[in-house]
Amino acid sequence: ETGVTQTPRHLVMGMTNKKSLKCEQHLGHNAMYWYKQSAKKPLELMFVYNFKEQTENNSVPSRFSPECPNSSHLFLHLHTLQPEDSALYLCASSQDHGTGREGNQPQHFGDGTRLSIL
Amino acid sequence: QKEVEQNSGPLSVPEGAIASLNCTYSDRGSQSFFWYRQYSGKSPELIMFIYSNGDKEDGRFTAQLNKASQYVSLLIRDSQPSDSATYLCAVNVWNTDKLIFGTGTRLQVFP
Repeated sequence: ETGVTQTPRHLVMGMTNKKSLKCEQHLGHNAMYWYKQSAKKPLELMFVYNFKEQTENNSVPSRFSPECPNSSHLFLHLHTLQPEDSALYLCASSQDHGTGREGNQPQHFGDGTRLSIL
Repeated sequence: QKEVEQNSGPLSVPEGAIASLNCTYSDRGSQSFFWYRQYSGKSPELIMFIYSNGDKEDGRFTAQLNKASQYVSLLIRDSQPSDSATYLCAVNVWNTDKLIFGTGTRLQVFP
């Protein structure tokens, strides 16, 4: 099993559809992240979960709804998206909460879901 | 607003040369610095991370950190065409899990 697995790899949906992105990590990490990557823009952090608890919501619109049932799985539920939400959505995981340590543990990324909104 | 700045490039170097990629950041409290490589259509892949001032070497890669100047760089020795990719610099926001990414520098290594 690869370290961080995302499904589906590609998703095309209409603005009124509801879909979910799935992420699973096999690295024994306890922090998981959702990022959005749009063309010509830097990677944009969306959500952070540590030990299943959400610790960061980076002002993400409510049409994106994350869920973290356990430390290995992370979902991003999508509904009534807009064309500007078309992007590559990346999941990442890391070993530990970085606060108080020498430094943050590296984040490891999945292959991403390429999302297109019609 | 915390920022990470990188020259978008492309940086073109001949095969066998040293490629030098640079990054500046605005948060003086940042403690952790990462370099990722991203091939076109692929996800970011961790190359190096560094926490302390100075140099850190791993194979052909050397990360250099100067916190006083808020500057981190990545040197790639003996550059290969397979090193052609976009290199992302990422810096943590002080005392958080948040990473701020630069827009990346595109490196082209020509034979």
